Parts: sequence; structure tokens; C-alpha cells
Amino acid sequence: GQQLNQSPQSMFIQEGEDVSMNCTSSSIFNTWLWYKQDPGEGPVLLIALYKAGELTSNGRLTAQFGITRKDSFLNISASIPSDVGIYFCAGSNTGNQFYFGTGTSLTVIP
Amino acid sequence: EAQVTQNPRYLITVTGKKLTVTCSQNMNHEYMSWYRQDPGLGLRQIYYSMNVEVTDKGDVPEGYKVSRKEKRNFPLILESPSPNQTSLYFCASSLGAGTVEQYFGPGTRLTVT
Repeated sequence: GQQLNQSPQSMFIQEGEDVSMNCTSSSIFNTWLWYKQDPGEGPVLLIALYKAGELTSNGRLTAQFGITRKDSFLNISASIPSDVGIYFCAGSNTGNQFYFGTGTSLTVIP
Repeated sequence: EAQVTQNPRYLITVTGKKLTVTCSQNMNHEYMSWYRQDPGLGLRQIYYSMNVEVTDKGDVPEGYKVSRKEKRNFPLILESPSPNQTSLYFCASSLGAGTVEQYFGPGTRLTVT
């Protein structure tokens, strides 16, 4: 299957700091997605990106669809304790099959 | 409340004993899918269904079966579970093909001994 690698694997940051994470693929995608998973729950979609170069925001979150279509980036500004969780990227070409990244675990220290 | 439900939430079983994990959604969604989540590997798609009686393999279908006889239900069947199928399983649904926003269930933690 297709491999999506996320970095960093884990982050420990102080409340109020900005966060950056990225996702790279060996294949191109037409759609990039970012999900957040809270402990003990299923992932929840944060942002969907449909076009190379696209920059989309959702509150304090901003994500970008890489120009090469093989990568995507997620930034969180002014982190707060409820940002804690695992962040997953995902790529799709068909809208039926989805390939998820390995995840970035975020810990916010108050 | 719009939701995806899975049962059971936790299951411990033995190698070779057939089991079924149920998934049901109340949003009249056409698309449903199953994933497994393993540490360091993220989520991997097992099977998906675009509509009733239409199912397709995902990335890791070996050892699993699914059926979609009704729109709201999409059970995952393990005919002969093995220890390497110990994992956290998620069911998800969305409006239809091309709609990327999937709603995930709460997960089923399966242990096969």
C-alpha cells in the first residue's frame, strides 16, 4: 500500500506556542485531509484540501496542499490544552480509498 | 443524534473463533468503510462500500469479510481470527463517493489470543 510518513512522531510544547507538522507521500494525491483523534475516540476531520498549493484555515488551524501533490502541512497557532491528541494526514485520489499517515502525537503543557 | 455505532467496543477472543463486529449509521450515508489502527502504522483501510451490495477491498483486506445488505449496516467478519488481527478497528461513513468527510465510530478494541 501507499506510505504516508508524518513528522514529527510526537511533540511536547508549551501552551501558547505554535505547532507545525507535515506529511509526505511516495505518491501524488488529488485530495489531502487532516484529522484529529482524541484519546479513546475516532478521528474527526479538521481540514480538507483539494488543489495543489491550496492554503485553508479552520480557526487556529491552517493546512497547505503541497505543490508537488506529495506532501501537506498543518500548523496550529497559539496552542491550548484541548489541542492534545493525535493528528493524522490522509490522502485520496478516488474519494473511496483513503491512505492515512502514521500520526503526530501532540502534548500541550499548561 | 447523528452517529456511527460499533459493537462490541471491546472483545477478547481466541484464534480461529469466528466473530463479527457490527457497524451502524443513522445518517442515511451511502459510503461506509472499515479501518484498523496499529501503533506506528496509522489507520489502514480494510474494506469499503459505496452502496448496498457494493463492496471493495481497501489496503489490507486479507483475513476479513464484509457485507452490505442494508444501507445503515456494514458488519466486519473475521472468519478465523489470528493474533496479528489484534488491533483497534474503526467504522466510518460518509454521504457518498467523492465526499471526503467521513464520520468515525468510537472504535472496537479486539484482542486475539
